[in-house]
Amino acid sequence: GDSVTQMEGPVTLSEEAFLTINCTYTATGYPSLFWYVQYPGEGLQLLLKATKADDKGSNKGFEATYRKETTSFHLEKGSVQVSDSAVYFCALSEGSARQLTFGSGTQLTVLP
Amino acid sequence: DADVTQTPRNRITKTGKRIMLECSQTKGHDRMYWYRQDPGLGLRLIYYSFDVKDINKGEISDGYSVSRQAQAKFSLSLESAIPNQTALYFCATSALGVGGSYEQYFGPGTRLTVT
Repeated sequence: GDSVTQMEGPVTLSEEAFLTINCTYTATGYPSLFWYVQYPGEGLQLLLKATKADDKGSNKGFEATYRKETTSFHLEKGSVQVSDSAVYFCALSEGSARQLTFGSGTQLTVLP
Repeated sequence: DADVTQTPRNRITKTGKRIMLECSQTKGHDRMYWYRQDPGLGLRLIYYSFDVKDINKGEISDGYSVSRQAQAKFSLSLESAIPNQTALYFCATSALGVGGSYEQYFGPGTRLTVT
């Protein structure tokens, strides 16, 4: 079945550092890929998405490129802020049901 | 007002009790979902519903039941709660987004503790 593997956390960075959170997936077809973010005490919010190979999703300075050849969708940001501290989830969706399969989440803490 | 609301936000109950978690949405979406979140495991799908008459089991439906009372309401029940059902529960809705993917929108979550 489908699965998503994320880099283990927690990740701690200083403000303005470069961020990469790795995500790889296993799927039988051609899934859509997502990054969701969960701020403390809140539900998940869609951060960005890509629906086909070589698509780049971007939002709020975050980017991720759908790489079919490496089955990856790594999240990057050039300069993180304290307000980016949250848990980040990689997810995929495919098939007629379109339910999401999530990775285990990566806790990011950004220090001032 | 939030588009997806969940009640209660926090609940402590005892083993063997019946409990219902409620979800309401004002987004007009047909599809609704229930997930549970456990530390280190991400979110796992319990049940999902494509409309009032279409309800489907997810990855971990044992010990849970659901009711879709209306397009806007989707309830999750634990008939006889047990301690390993202690978790954070999320409701979500979805609709077709740009590019043909179904984007999901999440409620704020219900923290359930079973003692």
